[in-house]
Amino acid sequence: SQTIHQWPATLVQPVGSPLSLECTVEGTSNPNLYWYRQAAGRGLQLLFYSVGIGQISSEVPQNLSASRPQDRQFILSSKKLLLSDSGFYLCAWSVLGITDTQYFGPGTRLTVL
Amino acid sequence: AQTVTQSQPEMSVQEAETVTLSCTYDTSESDYYLFWYKQPPSRQMILVIRQEAYKQQNATENRFSVNFQKAAKSFSLKISDSQLGDAAMYFCAYIANYGGSQGNLIFGKGTKLSVKP
Repeated sequence: SQTIHQWPATLVQPVGSPLSLECTVEGTSNPNLYWYRQAAGRGLQLLFYSVGIGQISSEVPQNLSASRPQDRQFILSSKKLLLSDSGFYLCAWSVLGITDTQYFGPGTRLTVL
Repeated sequence: AQTVTQSQPEMSVQEAETVTLSCTYDTSESDYYLFWYKQPPSRQMILVIRQEAYKQQNATENRFSVNFQKAAKSFSLKISDSQLGDAAMYFCAYIANYGGSQGNLIFGKGTKLSVKP
């Protein structure tokens, strides 16, 4: 069966510091991968998605970037964190295409102080 | 622009009773998919149920069922025989089928469900 991992689970970082969040999927090949952010009291906002290695699409212009160095690895990064980057970050995967169900990882809670 | 609206920020239900969560959406597309996700205190999003817009039959998954009204653009979730473990945030989500390789899964703001023993 497929599983999705995210780490770290919790992160507290100062403003201006770099960020690296990692997501890996097991048990499937060539998944579509997604990064979402959930601000306090709000729904999810799609940040990036990837349909293959090295293929990244950005949905929202921001202080963040994403990379996909391996088929089942998706990384969310920032060179300098802002206070507004605080939130809950969720990685998700799907397989069969655009309308396939997306399955989510356990998430990372990021607090920028 | 497509939007998803959940008009009930909070709901409460007695254990073993039935509760219905509301969701409406706005779209000009005819081919799309709708989802309900559950987010318990652990905050991991868990799929509850999925509905294809081309299907007239309402989706059912054990104690969870939907009332899909395509003309009214309504997609409510009914939870029967509510259990304490059903307490969570529930999100309605929509994605259009553009025939390409990717689309944007759009979420409502959620409904917080409490279950009273």
